[in-house]
Amino acid sequence: GAGVSQSPRYKVAKRGQDVALRCDPISGHVSLFWYQQALGQGPEFLTYFQNEAQLDKSGLPSDRFFAERPEGSVSTLKIQRTQQEDSAVYLCASSQETGLNNQPQHFGDGTRLSIL
Amino acid sequence: AQSVTQLDSQVPVFEEAPVELRCNYSSSVSVYLFWYVQYPNQGLQLLLKYLSGSTLVKGINGFEAEFNKSQTSFHLRKPSVHISDTAEYFCAVSGSGNTGKLIFGQGTTLQVKP
Repeated sequence: GAGVSQSPRYKVAKRGQDVALRCDPISGHVSLFWYQQALGQGPEFLTYFQNEAQLDKSGLPSDRFFAERPEGSVSTLKIQRTQQEDSAVYLCASSQETGLNNQPQHFGDGTRLSIL
Repeated sequence: AQSVTQLDSQVPVFEEAPVELRCNYSSSVSVYLFWYVQYPNQGLQLLLKYLSGSTLVKGINGFEAEFNKSQTSFHLRKPSVHISDTAEYFCAVSGSGNTGKLIFGQGTTLQVKP
């Protein structure tokens, strides 16, 4: 289908390694969001893109987390020097319009990251 | 700041019985409210949304929710549940500012028993 696609679905890394998570939003969607969902919790906002511009990164927990969307479509979330507390499901979502709080977000199936 | 509280972490119910999943929010500004469902190992799927107008909102799979501004609540209901409704349900409010980011509650696990 033409939904939000995330890869890999599962990622296991050793503590201290760097990881990169990919998100392919729905074609033509302007807004892209990353969320972190810890086990048994609701998703928590990490960062937001309007096209290629990162307009809000207030949810990134530390400077080890970095996100980009260079051409305004595919986005990558990178985590450097991973730690055990980074273990979570990382969800990507996209929406059609921008600057409108009433737009429904379409979610991918997430990447489950496990740090050993 | 905005926040969402889902009052029940787990709701067990028998098949064909009615169910209500409770959600309260706090906000100093007008809000948009959403309910999402998450099946195991999947992302979130939109059930319904309240933007404006009628306070009773109907969604997919027979779910509905009622926005109550005075009680700052947005409870989700279904008159008769099915086994296939077993999942995690999240209430969310759109964040302040103009990014549209969502603030989620902790989630409610609906367990439908035969």
